[in-house]
Order: sequence, then structure tokens, then C-alpha cells
Amino acid sequence: SQTIHQWPATLVQPVGSPLSLECTVEGTSNPNLYWYRQAAGRGLQLLFYSIGIGQISSEVPQNLSASRPQDRQFILSSKKLLLSDSGFYLCAWSQQEGQPQHFGDGTRLSIL
Amino acid sequence: KQEVTQIPAALSVPEGENLVLNCSFTDSAIYNLQWFRQDPGKGLTSLLLIQSSQREQTSGRLNASLDKSSGRSTLYIAASQPGDSATYLCAVRYGATNKLIFGTGTLLAVQP
Repeated sequence: SQTIHQWPATLVQPVGSPLSLECTVEGTSNPNLYWYRQAAGRGLQLLFYSIGIGQISSEVPQNLSASRPQDRQFILSSKKLLLSDSGFYLCAWSQQEGQPQHFGDGTRLSIL
Repeated sequence: KQEVTQIPAALSVPEGENLVLNCSFTDSAIYNLQWFRQDPGKGLTSLLLIQSSQREQTSGRLNASLDKSSGRSTLYIAASQPGDSATYLCAVRYGATNKLIFGTGTLLAVQP
């Protein structure tokens, strides 16, 4: 069966520090991968998605970037965090476009 | 603009009651609609996915319906249990794309 892992589960970082969140999927090959952010009182917002290694699409302009160095690895990064980057970050995968998306347990990011 | 709205924002019911959660979307030309459950501080668990050609889907005590013409979906939970307490999110997909548009959710509390 397929599983998705995200880490860390929680992270507290100072403003201006770098960020790296990692997501890996097991039990499938060539998945579509996604990064979402859930801010307090708001719905989930799609940040990035990837249909293959090195292929990244950005949905909203922001202070973050994403990379896919391996087939089942998806990384969310920032060079300098802003207060507005605080939130709950969720990674997801699907087998194909239009197929159900399956989510990881999320990373709670707090910026001080 | 494509928007998804969920009403009510919060709902509290006694154990054993049947209940209905509502989801409405502004653009009726959807590809499919997915209902999720989110426990506090956790990721999303997919409950049901309804394709645009379908009118309902059932899984155990859950039944999701879709009325494209009116831009609405409902999630019916039969014989509610305290373990059903969570936030329920609906998400709409337009076209065979990777982008899900999420509602802000309904926080359900089932009182024992």
C-alpha cells in the first residue's frame, strides 16, 4: 500500500531563517505531488505541484520554492522566512491528474 | 471566480443523530468533488470522491450527493458517533487538473 511521510511534524523558526520541509511517498511510482498551506481561519491553498522529477508548477507568487530531486521526494524551501509564512503545510500525492489526492500528516510551522 | 463555501462553520449534535453537511460552489462545471476529514493538527483523510457524472457515493455511514445544476453537494452522516468529531472539508476540481479548490470546512462535534 502507498504511504506518505512528512517531516518535521512541528517547526519553530525565527524570521529570516531558511526552511526545508521534506515529503516522501512510498509504494507508488511517478506520482503527482503537491504542497498546500492551511493558514488559520482559511481554507487549504495549493502552493506547488509536480508531475515529474524536476517539474514544478507554482500556483501563487510567494516567498517559497519547491523541488523534486527524486521521483517520490518533494521538498518545500525558503531562503528567508517571513512572519506570513506561518501555517500548517500539507504534502499530498495522487496517481494521475483528476485522481483522488492523499495527504500527509502535515508540518506546523511557526515563525517568531 | 471559482469559490467553495461550507455552511455551517461549526455544528454540535448529540450522539446518534443523523446530520447533513453542506458544500456549495460558484462554478457548476466541475470535474469532480472530494470530501475530506481532518482531525485536529493532522492531515486530511479522503472520505468520498464524486465524479461530475455521478449523483451520489456511499461509504459505510457516509453518503455524499452532488447536484451540479444547483452547485451543491451534501455529506450525510448516519447515526453519528463521538469518533466522527472532526473538521469536514469539501474540495472541487475543475477539469482533469491538479488543482483542488477547498472550502473552509465544517467543524463537527458529536457529544456523547
